[in-house]
Amino acid sequence: GESVGLHLPTLSVQEGDNSIINCAYSNSASDYFIWYKQESGKGPQFIIDIRSNMDKRQGQRVTVLLNKTVKHLSLQIAATQPGDSAVYFCANGSGNQFYFGTGTSLTVIP
Amino acid sequence: DVKVTQSSRYLVKRTGEKVFLECVQDMDHENMFWYRQDPGLGLRLIYFSYDVKMKEKGDIPEGYSVSREKKERFSLILESASTNQTSMYLCASSSQKVLQGNLHYEQYFGPGTRLTVT
Repeated sequence: GESVGLHLPTLSVQEGDNSIINCAYSNSASDYFIWYKQESGKGPQFIIDIRSNMDKRQGQRVTVLLNKTVKHLSLQIAATQPGDSAVYFCANGSGNQFYFGTGTSLTVIP
Repeated sequence: DVKVTQSSRYLVKRTGEKVFLECVQDMDHENMFWYRQDPGLGLRLIYFSYDVKMKEKGDIPEGYSVSREKKERFSLILESASTNQTSMYLCASSSQKVLQGNLHYEQYFGPGTRLTVT
């Protein structure tokens, strides 16, 4: 299977600060990457995606950065809010099948 | 909004029982997936289906089977439940769309079924 991992299993940030969650992948053939957010008791929710022909993509308060040279993906959350507390997963794949990382638990401190 | 629903949020079954987990999506998606989620292991793909009556094995199909008789419904079956199948089971459906000339995939997940086998 695919190897998709995360650098840190937990991350705590102060409310209002920016958060950076990192992810490494091993398959250089992957051409599509997704970040998911999973709140307690819920299924994962799509946040943002990026294709391998891009190195940056921005959404609302979130930015995904892709470094294909070192096979690294990051999710940046601006002005982190208490509602951002959740587990964040990266996923990668090509076509319609994805491999998921184990997740980073983000805690926002009021 | 896409809605993926799963028949149960919590389920407790005995070893050896046959277990059915049902998943329904209302967006006419071609693709549906079953994953299990375990601490420290992330989401692992059990089975997926690209069309009615079609099924493909994922990474960990042993001990499971699936059924896709209708497009909107994808069922996961544990023929004889075992304690090592205690887990969170997540169903997903997916779509493809073209944005700014690029093909994007998006998987929508159900809320999950937490299955305990005793």
